[in-house]
Amino acid sequence: EPEVTQTPSHQVTQMGQEVILRCVPISNHLYFYWYRQILGQKVEFLVSFYNNEISEKSEIFDDQFSVERPDGSNFTLKIRSTKLEDSAMYFCASSDSGNYGYTFGSGTRLTVV
Amino acid sequence: KNEVEQSPQNLTAQEGEFITINCSYSVGISALHWLQQHPGGGIVSLFMLSSGKKKHGRLIATINIQEKHSSLHITASHPRDSAVYICAGNEFGGFYFGTGTSLTVIP
Repeated sequence: EPEVTQTPSHQVTQMGQEVILRCVPISNHLYFYWYRQILGQKVEFLVSFYNNEISEKSEIFDDQFSVERPDGSNFTLKIRSTKLEDSAMYFCASSDSGNYGYTFGSGTRLTVV
Repeated sequence: KNEVEQSPQNLTAQEGEFITINCSYSVGISALHWLQQHPGGGIVSLFMLSSGKKKHGRLIATINIQEKHSSLHITASHPRDSAVYICAGNEFGGFYFGTGTSLTVIP
């Protein structure tokens, strides 16, 4: 069964550093999403991406964050100047139509120290 | 802002029991999702609903648009169903997640 692949599975970074989280969506999917889950809290929507541009973003997704589809297969989330409170599990998801089933990746656990 | 509420927050059931998890939301949505999060953290999409009812194996999801309410039912529950079940509403401007229902099924 097709999968959404996220790398790395765990990343530790120093406060103030930039990190790039990578996702390979399912190949024929057109809609891409990033979510995060701070430990012990609910999942939060960050951003959705379609047709090479952001289609929706939450209040969390400020100038510190950016997304990119650098080539035909990867979808990345960049976090500039990381803060301790950015520590969370970051999930990528993709969908073929935006209104039907989503497939989630297994997540990247980001720890900012 | 859409508020998504789930109940109960925690649920313990004996193997074989019929389980219902409820979700209500405050603002109209275009779709409602039911997700399953395993103890290791991975998330699986179970259903996406915009009306009516969907069934997949032992799982059934229903939605009542007028009442802004959805339910997830598990028939003949099994210990492997133990997980956190999350509902999320999708509307223009984003996704809004409930806090999840932690289900433990005891053999």
